Amino acid sequence: DTGVSQDPRHKITKRGQNVTFRCDPISEHNRLYWYRQTLGQGPEFLTYFQNEAQLEKSRLLSDRFSAERPKGSFSTLEIQRTEQGDSAMYLCASNPAGGYNEQFFGPGTRLTVL
Amino acid sequence: DAKTTQPNSMESNEEEPVHLPCNHSTISGTDYIHWYRQLPSQGPEYVIHGLTSNVNNRMASLAIAEDRKSSTLILHRATLRDAAVYYCILNIYNNAGNMLTFGGGTRLMVKP
Repeated sequence: DTGVSQDPRHKITKRGQNVTFRCDPISEHNRLYWYRQTLGQGPEFLTYFQNEAQLEKSRLLSDRFSAERPKGSFSTLEIQRTEQGDSAMYLCASNPAGGYNEQFFGPGTRLTVL
Repeated sequence: DAKTTQPNSMESNEEEPVHLPCNHSTISGTDYIHWYRQLPSQGPEYVIHGLTSNVNNRMASLAIAEDRKSSTLILHRATLRDAAVYYCILNIYNNAGNMLTFGGGTRLMVKP
């Protein structure tokens, strides 16, 4: 299967710890998106990459959040000094550049901050 | 950003058609109407999109009002696997990336 994959699927951490999530998009998809979804709500956009360039960041992405896509393939999302409010599902999506293209979502990483 | 309004939940019987409404009275001329759905414990998946004309694909049909202020997603024969949260999203189609702004969506329950 060559869909979007995310790792880990679940992460439990204590408040104040740093966590890092990985997203592997569909091969050759230039664009990669990160979203956050809290319980009972729709996903909220966090940031977007085209190849290795981070082109858009939501104001939801505080200074404790950083995302990278160093070689234009996989991406990582790091949260420093986690807070209980960071508990959520973190979703990654990808699509090719050029024209309208649907976004393909991964299964998400569920973060629980104790 | 233009907003959408959807009912919080709807119920349907299996093998019957389902009409999921969406109001978007502040839609602009360049906004496309997208529908995604999210099955339990999964990421969202694309269903269909359109601009002005009605659209059909293997999953569903999209009926767009003439003034574009509302639209309806039609599932022709609901199955138990169609139980999900359905999101109606407005988005400008351009080459600068198409970040999606999700609302609360409609939770569709399908009864056997």
